[in-house]
Amino acid sequence: KNQVEQSPQSLIILEGKNCTLQCNYTVSPFSNLRWYKQDTGRGPVSLTIMTFSENTKSNGRYTATLDADTKQSSLHITASQLSDSASYICVVSETQTGANNLFFGTGTRLTVIP
Amino acid sequence: EPEVTQTPSHQVTQMGQEVILRCVPISNHLYFYWYRQILGQKVEFLVSFYNNEISEKSEIFDDQFSVERPDGSNFTLKIRSTKLEDSAMYFCASSKQGPNTGELFFGEGSRLTVL
Repeated sequence: KNQVEQSPQSLIILEGKNCTLQCNYTVSPFSNLRWYKQDTGRGPVSLTIMTFSENTKSNGRYTATLDADTKQSSLHITASQLSDSASYICVVSETQTGANNLFFGTGTRLTVIP
Repeated sequence: EPEVTQTPSHQVTQMGQEVILRCVPISNHLYFYWYRQILGQKVEFLVSFYNNEISEKSEIFDDQFSVERPDGSNFTLKIRSTKLEDSAMYFCASSKQGPNTGELFFGEGSRLTVL
């Protein structure tokens, strides 16, 4: 069964600190993996899209890694800011075409405190 | 920067009433989607639309739901007879390429509350 599991469920960190969010998946055959940031009550915003051949991808203070062999991805946030408080959602795409072949995780709720 | 816009931002309705949620996708995008997110749960796919027809729909998208692209810019989701369990945030999204390779751009969402 195709699933995306994220951990931790929630995380609280001090402003300025780094953190790493995890995403494990069983989706197969794999096409790509995306990380989205979702502010409370808003729509998800894309951070990165990684294909099978990409191990690391950065977007400012966000760095995503992908290990397609172990089916794991992480999102590392450097020097966190209060505005980083949001849910971070991992989405994995199957190779079969179709929006129904995008599998969403439940997200990690990050709270950055001063 | 182009964005997906949705209206209304919040709608409260009585059970059994019809609701129409509206979306204006990004103008040069070809693929359109509706997703929903029940409070505290994951984002769920409802339907995708391409070339003026439904390309895919999930089990959630039953006969109570319909989508339409009435003109060149709007993309609507209609719920014919709302149920309590339809209360959720509904997100419209669009992409230039197909969903498996193209980046999806989401709107801000329409919060539907069914009483």
